[in-house]
Amino acid sequence: AQTVTQSQPEMSVQEAETVTLSCTYDTSESDYYLFWYKQPPSRQMILVIRQEAYKQQNATENRFSVNFQKAAKSFSLKISDSQLGDAAMYFCAYRSYLFEIIFGKGTRLHILP
Amino acid sequence: EPEVTQTPSHQVTQMGQEVILRCVPISNHLYFYWYRQILGQKVEFLVSFYNNEISEKSEIFDDQFSVERPDGSNFTLKIRSTKLEDSAMYFCAGSGGSTDTQYFGPGTRLTVL
Repeated sequence: AQTVTQSQPEMSVQEAETVTLSCTYDTSESDYYLFWYKQPPSRQMILVIRQEAYKQQNATENRFSVNFQKAAKSFSLKISDSQLGDAAMYFCAYRSYLFEIIFGKGTRLHILP
Repeated sequence: EPEVTQTPSHQVTQMGQEVILRCVPISNHLYFYWYRQILGQKVEFLVSFYNNEISEKSEIFDDQFSVERPDGSNFTLKIRSTKLEDSAMYFCAGSGGSTDTQYFGPGTRLTVL
């Protein structure tokens, strides 16, 4: 069965600094999708970034970028120029050819002013 | 930008009562999903729905749960006889295609007393 592991329950970063959130996953599939979702205190799940496993190029969305290492089954999220509004729970997630998205336990990110 | 909406935002019910949680997906989405998040735990997949049929469901989605799209716009999750352990945040999601990104609604917080 596929699993998603986020080993950092909480992290803190100074405003304007860069932070990297770690994620590893386990799968025997070759084609799949990886996501980072953000859940602010409102508890809405907001898509941050998506990566297709067949693409070698790392996805980027403005200040958010990923380091996708397929062989290592690693999918980290880098947030550059951290802002107070980035404070949230961040979930790494995996999806195969099935509809089900499998989420990690999350990393709570604190932004220090 | 179109959004998924869910009502109510918070539902309180007595154990054993039926509840219906409602979702209005983005209008051009064809695939619909329900997830739940028990406080402090992972987001878990419940069910996916396409073409008026369930396409996948998890072990959580037992006979107490049902879904339907009664009028072509609303997508509902019914819990027939609520239990204390059904207390959770319930998220609706939708996607345009089977492999497209799933976009989540703001969630309904269900409290079973």
